[in-house]
Amino acid sequence: GNSVTQMEGPVTLSEEAFLTINCTYTATGYPSLFWYVQYPGEGLQLLLKATKADDKGSNKGFEATYRKETTSFHLEKGSVQVSDSAVYFCALSDHGAAGNKLTFGGGTRVLVKP
Amino acid sequence: DTAVSQTPKYLVTQMGNDKSIKCEQNLGHDTMYWYKQDSKKFLKIMFSYNNKELIINETVPNRFSPKSPDKAHLNLHINSLELGDSAVYFCASSQEDRRTEAFFGQGTRLTVV
Repeated sequence: GNSVTQMEGPVTLSEEAFLTINCTYTATGYPSLFWYVQYPGEGLQLLLKATKADDKGSNKGFEATYRKETTSFHLEKGSVQVSDSAVYFCALSDHGAAGNKLTFGGGTRVLVKP
Repeated sequence: DTAVSQTPKYLVTQMGNDKSIKCEQNLGHDTMYWYKQDSKKFLKIMFSYNNKELIINETVPNRFSPKSPDKAHLNLHINSLELGDSAVYFCASSQEDRRTEAFFGQGTRLTVV
């Protein structure tokens, strides 16, 4: 079956620090990969996505590259802000006979201090 | 306009009660989902409907029954609530294409006491 593994948090950083959150996946087909962000008390919002190998997704200064050879989709941001404090979820979508669904990693809580 | 809206946002109820959570999407998507987020933030799919037809049912107890009156609505009814049902339940919708992202509602925090 499909699975997503991401680094456990919490990750605590100072403002303007570099952020990396590792994500690796296992999939039987050719999945699309996503990063979702959940701010406190809110639902999940799409941060970025990549639908095929070597694609790079980017949004709000965040980037992630779909690496099929290492089955990874690591999230990076060069200079974080306090407003980036949230829980980040790596996910994959693999359309099988049973329909389309997202398989999530366990989430990584990021806390950015001023 | 809220793309995916679910009600209520908070639900506190006693063990043994029956409750429903409603979800509506105005995005014209074909597929809707229910996800459960536990206290450790772990998210897992429960159900998926495509054009009112149940597509995915992920080993969820029979006490949980989704109902889709039309493709814009997917409600979740829970019978005989148990303490372990306490969680945040998210409704989501997407196009059927796996390359497109899912849009999530704000979540319903269910607390069973």
